[in-house]
Amino acid sequence: DGGITQSPKYLFRKEGQNVTLSCEQNLNHDAMYWYRQDPGQGLRLIYYSQIVNDFQKGDIAEGYSVSREKKESFPLTVTSAQKNPTAFYLCASSIGSGVGDNEQFFGPGTRLTVL
Amino acid sequence: AQSVTQPDIHITVSEGASLELRCNYSYGATPYLFWYVQSPGQGLQLLLKYFSGDTLVQGIKGFEAEFKRSQSSFNLRKPSVHWSDAAEYFCAARSGGYNKLIFGAGTRLAVHP
Repeated sequence: DGGITQSPKYLFRKEGQNVTLSCEQNLNHDAMYWYRQDPGQGLRLIYYSQIVNDFQKGDIAEGYSVSREKKESFPLTVTSAQKNPTAFYLCASSIGSGVGDNEQFFGPGTRLTVL
Repeated sequence: AQSVTQPDIHITVSEGASLELRCNYSYGATPYLFWYVQSPGQGLQLLLKYFSGDTLVQGIKGFEAEFKRSQSSFNLRKPSVHWSDAAEYFCAARSGGYNKLIFGAGTRLAVHP
């Protein structure tokens, strides 16, 4: 089945540590996205990538980094510079990123807790 | 600034009752509009979308939404709610250009038996 997988489902991190969240898609989509979800705030865009080897900052990129070395993979690193990293992280992908019928498909999410 | 507002944080309805979830947007031009549903601890599933044409849009699970340009609204409706509809619902909008979605804060729906 085609879809988006995120791992791990739950992740615990000590303060001062970097941690990497995995996102893989087998939908052959060009565009991929990372969102952060906090209670009562909806989803906010962290980074997005329109094509391999290219990515741009979203609205809340500070303290995060990404890479896009392969079309199917878009890992997110939460660095120690992120002041409040505890949140639910959602990865999404779409066929493209331009105008038109570009529905975003979402993965099941990773819940990160900083201890 | 572009924004999406969902005025109701929590809504409780009885099973079998009708449902309407409100969504208002603030954009310079008519955006593309979406409704997503999220079960606890899960990702988001697309219920329906509006790009152009007929202002009444049918979606999955018996949901529909009506786009009203004069009111800048895109309210979600269902004539008879089932207990399995209990979840959080997000309205989202996207303008032209790159595929950036702006989400509302969400409405959490509880269904009483």
